[in-house]
Amino acid sequence: EAGVAQSPRYKIIEKRQSVAFWCNPISGHATLYWYQQILGQGPKLLIQFQNNGVVDDSQLPKDRFSAERLKGVDSTLKIQPAKLEDSAVYLCASSLAGASTDTQYFGPGTRLTVL
Amino acid sequence: AQSVSQHNHHVILSEAASLELGCNYSYGGTVNLFWYVQYPGQHLQLLLKYFSGDPLVKGIKGFEAEFIKSKFSFNLRKPSVQWSDTAEYFCAVEPGSARQLTFGSGTQLTVLP
Repeated sequence: EAGVAQSPRYKIIEKRQSVAFWCNPISGHATLYWYQQILGQGPKLLIQFQNNGVVDDSQLPKDRFSAERLKGVDSTLKIQPAKLEDSAVYLCASSLAGASTDTQYFGPGTRLTVL
Repeated sequence: AQSVSQHNHHVILSEAASLELGCNYSYGGTVNLFWYVQYPGQHLQLLLKYFSGDPLVKGIKGFEAEFIKSKFSFNLRKPSVQWSDTAEYFCAVEPGSARQLTFGSGTQLTVLP
């Protein structure tokens, strides 16, 4: 079974630039999550999708971050404009149906460095 | 909102030593509890989880964790660690009513051969 795919794996940008990350979940998984993991901290949930609808985006900084999952499969997370404090690993995860008994499977992450 | 504390940031053990990693959470209601592991160069993966029932849960690779409700704790244990257990370990909690995982800051375990 193919895992969660993410690209790019690494990205270096200057502050005030824009950046986008892509995630392709495990086939058949209805629920998709984006997490931000700052160095020395655990992952923090940014947004959760159930198919193509947003379930929870309470921790997404909506003034600069946006995410979409138009066809209920892959998803993009965008930052515009980036700040120094956005330097982190951005993790995508997916689960079968979003029930608490479902395991979340994580991708390899995209490491973003903002200079 | 719930929070998770992992008090040990870095633990160094020799092979065959016993392991216990602490995890405490703050949330007043029913919770689901998880331990995730990230081996060097690999993805985060689930080690074990607790939803209900027997408070002693067993996971992969000989790990186990005990939920002590009165102490709001979910400590991870392994009787004898191996060099291959070197990894970062994350405790996570979610309210029983909602799918919102909150992670601790992680514990880096280094096992010396």
